[in-house]
Amino acid sequence: DAKTTQPNSMESNEEEPVHLPCNHSTISGTDYIHWYRQLPSQGPEYVIHGLTSNVNNRMASLAIAEDRKSSTLILHRATLRDAAVYYCILRYVNNNDMRFGAGTRLTVKP
Amino acid sequence: NAGVTQTPKFRVLKTGQSMTLLCAQDMNHEYMYWYRQDPGMGLRLIHYSVGEGTTAKGEVPDGYNVSRLKKQNFLLGLESAAPSQTSVYFCASSRTPSGETQYFGPGTRLLVL
Repeated sequence: DAKTTQPNSMESNEEEPVHLPCNHSTISGTDYIHWYRQLPSQGPEYVIHGLTSNVNNRMASLAIAEDRKSSTLILHRATLRDAAVYYCILRYVNNNDMRFGAGTRLTVKP
Repeated sequence: NAGVTQTPKFRVLKTGQSMTLLCAQDMNHEYMYWYRQDPGMGLRLIHYSVGEGTTAKGEVPDGYNVSRLKKQNFLLGLESAAPSQTSVYFCASSRTPSGETQYFGPGTRLLVL
């Protein structure tokens, strides 16, 4: 399985943008890039996913490098409720499971 | 819709005891999954099901059994609990396996003494 590398932790100030990086240098052409987040004492929650093009939804934006070896999750205005562990996951198109790494723990300061 | 629910929320077992964790989803999803999460780590897949009556092993299946007798329910069993199975267990479901979102339950915290 292709693996991802994320920083262990990041800090942000409230109402500022946050860029969460993810490296996936061994990604294959059919791997989707998924992002989930896990708030304290809750199950993971879907954030966004993409294949080749940048993606936007109401929660975040996903910027994918042209060579697809890295991606960045962008929270446009961080709030205290965005404090969570963010997981970057690669999923083969017909894969039945997701391999979670340790993720990035985002702290948002007021 | 309740989404994905899990029963119980918390349980304490003694080594060697057995128990069953119940996961239920009301979204008519075909695919269901059981994960475990140990402190400070990401989730690891135990078993999954691609439809009623079918199950398959995930990354860490040893010591667990599962059953999917009804489409909306996915049961995780521990026949003889061990301290190494102390963890938080999450159930998830999805409509299809690939690019689709997985919806997670709130988790079951299990402590094995």
